[in-house]
Amino acid sequence: GAGVSQSPSNKVTEKGKDVELRCDPISGHTALYWYRQSLGQGLEFLIYFQGNSAPDKSGLPSDRFSAERTGGSVSTLTIQRTQQEDSAVYLCASSFGRDHEQYFGPGTRLTVT
Amino acid sequence: AQSVTQPDIHITVSEGASLELRCNYSYGATPYLFWYVQSPGQGLQLLLKYFSGDTLVQGIKGFEAEFKRSQSSFNLRKPSVHWSDAAEYFCAVGAGTGGFKTIFGAGTRLFVKA
Repeated sequence: GAGVSQSPSNKVTEKGKDVELRCDPISGHTALYWYRQSLGQGLEFLIYFQGNSAPDKSGLPSDRFSAERTGGSVSTLTIQRTQQEDSAVYLCASSFGRDHEQYFGPGTRLTVT
Repeated sequence: AQSVTQPDIHITVSEGASLELRCNYSYGATPYLFWYVQSPGQGLQLLLKYFSGDTLVQGIKGFEAEFKRSQSSFNLRKPSVHWSDAAEYFCAVGAGTGGFKTIFGAGTRLFVKA
């Protein structure tokens, strides 16, 4: 595709359930990032992947959050035992590298009831 | 730890007036600096970036920013604001090993009045 795609666009889940959010980066981009944007807030860094290097997970808020990137392309962010404070828009971005523009996807709006 | 501060939560300017959005960062080395814009219902778009060299950088849509190491600032400017510039503006710093960990400020919402 032409840009970064994310699915689903909206997800409503019950507290305590697990959710998986998917990101398809731009083909050829080596770096992939996940962010969280709560209502009226800035972007909170969660994790990034760069090539075959170990991901930087330093932004993950708790061990309920995990992410993987398969084959250097598609990435999945998993939130286990969701809590109401996990409600936010989760944004994915990709880039050619650190000094290149990050292209953002449209985001997944997660609502935990 | 790296951090980015945007002191102004929102700013209102008249169409045609000049604009300056403030950004201060905290980082031990020379950071990678970015300004992104998020328009209503749209995704984030890069306005400009700074890595090295000339401290005054030009971006898209007539925006520019100046890196001032002594003040740890990277303020965004535009000489004449258009109504279509109304949006949320985010300053960001690329830090950490390799510079990939991108820390965003809380954003400044720009309102433009006729």
